[in-house]
Amino acid sequence: TQLLEQSPQFLSIQEGENLTVYCNSSSVFSSLQWYRQEPGEGPVLLVTVVTGGEVKKLKRLTFQFGDARKDSSLHITAAQPGDTGLYLCYNNNDMRFGAGTRLTVKP
Amino acid sequence: NAGVMQNPRHLVRRRGQEARLRCSPMKGHSHVYWYRQLPEEGLKFMVYLQKENIIDESGMPKERFSAEFPKEGPSILRIQQVVRGDSAAYFCASSLSSTGRMYEQYFGPGTRLTVT
Repeated sequence: TQLLEQSPQFLSIQEGENLTVYCNSSSVFSSLQWYRQEPGEGPVLLVTVVTGGEVKKLKRLTFQFGDARKDSSLHITAAQPGDTGLYLCYNNNDMRFGAGTRLTVKP
Repeated sequence: NAGVMQNPRHLVRRRGQEARLRCSPMKGHSHVYWYRQLPEEGLKFMVYLQKENIIDESGMPKERFSAEFPKEGPSILRIQQVVRGDSAAYFCASSLSSTGRMYEQYFGPGTRLTVT
C-alpha cells in the first residue's frame, strides 16, 4: 500500500495570508487529485495532476506536482474565510485519501 | 445535469437493525465507489463497483457489510446488524471510467448513519 502523508494536519490563519499544504507519497503517483471538503458535505474535486513538474492554477490556488511524481503541494494566495475546509489529496493508484489538512481562515 | 445522489441523507438505526444506503451515480457514469468517514477523520475506501460487478472490496469489513450495483437502479451499501462503531458518514462517488482523466470521481453529499 502506498503511504500518503499530508501536512500540516491543522492550519489556522488570518484572512489575507498565504499558505501551502503538502502531500507526500512513499512511491510514485500515476496521478493525483486534490479535493476540498466542507463540513457536512462531500468532497469536491479541485484538480487532477498527471505530469511530473506540472503546475496548475485555479484562481488563487496553485497546485504543483513534483518532478518525481512523489509529492504535491497546494498554495493558496490571500486566503479568504470561504477557503476554510478539509483539503485532501487522493491517490488514483489504490483509491486512497490522505488524512487531510484542516484549514481555518479567520476573518 | 444532476450530480451524484445519495439517500437518505440521515439515517438512524438501533443496534442490530439493518441499514441500506443508496447511491445514484451521475448520468453516464458506470463506476461507483463507497467511502466511510468517521468524525474528524479522513475518508477510507470501502469498495469499488461497476455495473453488476465488484471490482475491489479490499476496504470492506469482512462481516455484515455488502455492496451491489445492479444493472438497473442505484448502488446499495448494506450493513447488517449495525453496531455503534458503524456510526459514520458514508460517501458515494462515481466516475466515467477507470482510466486517465475520466477516472475523476464526483462525490455525493453523503449519508450520515447514527446507531443508537
